[in-house]
Amino acid sequence: DGGITQSPKYLFRKEGQNVTLSCEQNLNHDAMYWYRQDPGQGLRLIYYSQIVNDFQKGDIAEGYSVSREKKESFPLTVTSAQKNPTAFYLCASSRTGGDEQFFGPGTRLTVL
Amino acid sequence: DQQVKQNSPSLSVQEGRISILNCDYTNSMFDYFLWYKKYPAEGPTFLISISSIKDKNEDGRFTVFLNKSAKHLSLHIVPSQPGDSAVYFCAARGNSGGSNYKLTFGKGTLLTVNP
Repeated sequence: DGGITQSPKYLFRKEGQNVTLSCEQNLNHDAMYWYRQDPGQGLRLIYYSQIVNDFQKGDIAEGYSVSREKKESFPLTVTSAQKNPTAFYLCASSRTGGDEQFFGPGTRLTVL
Repeated sequence: DQQVKQNSPSLSVQEGRISILNCDYTNSMFDYFLWYKKYPAEGPTFLISISSIKDKNEDGRFTVFLNKSAKHLSLHIVPSQPGDSAVYFCAARGNSGGSNYKLTFGKGTLLTVNP
């Protein structure tokens, strides 16, 4: 079955630590995205990548970093510089120039 | 500044009746609009979309209407079912060259369909 997987489902980290969230897709999509959702808020774009080895900042990129070494993978690192990291993180992918984005199940990150 | 607005945080309807979810946008460069449905602790799933060159798109119980002059779109669900209870997000895609993959989302509307 084709789809997007995110791991882990729940993640806890201590304040001041970096943490990496995994996102893998087997849909053969060129474009991948990371969003953040906070309670009562819509999805806000963190980073996106239209092709391997290339990515662009979204609306709220500060405190985050990404890499795109493989078409299937787009990991997100939440650094200690991110002031409010506790949130629900969603990864998505789409065809190049495609219309709808397909989302993974999400990772809930809690900073203790 | 919010470019996509869903002014109703919640909506409650009776099973079998019509649900109407509304969305307003401010950016005239948006050329494609989508509705996503989201259950708690899950990723959104695509529901239906509409291009700016159309004013209506229908898929089964779901119909999306677009009024470009008013910069307004709405999602109609007829008849509503309890399984439709979820948060519905409106999203818009801009036609701005290299950024045309970006979607801008509204804050969502929680729909509750009562049996």
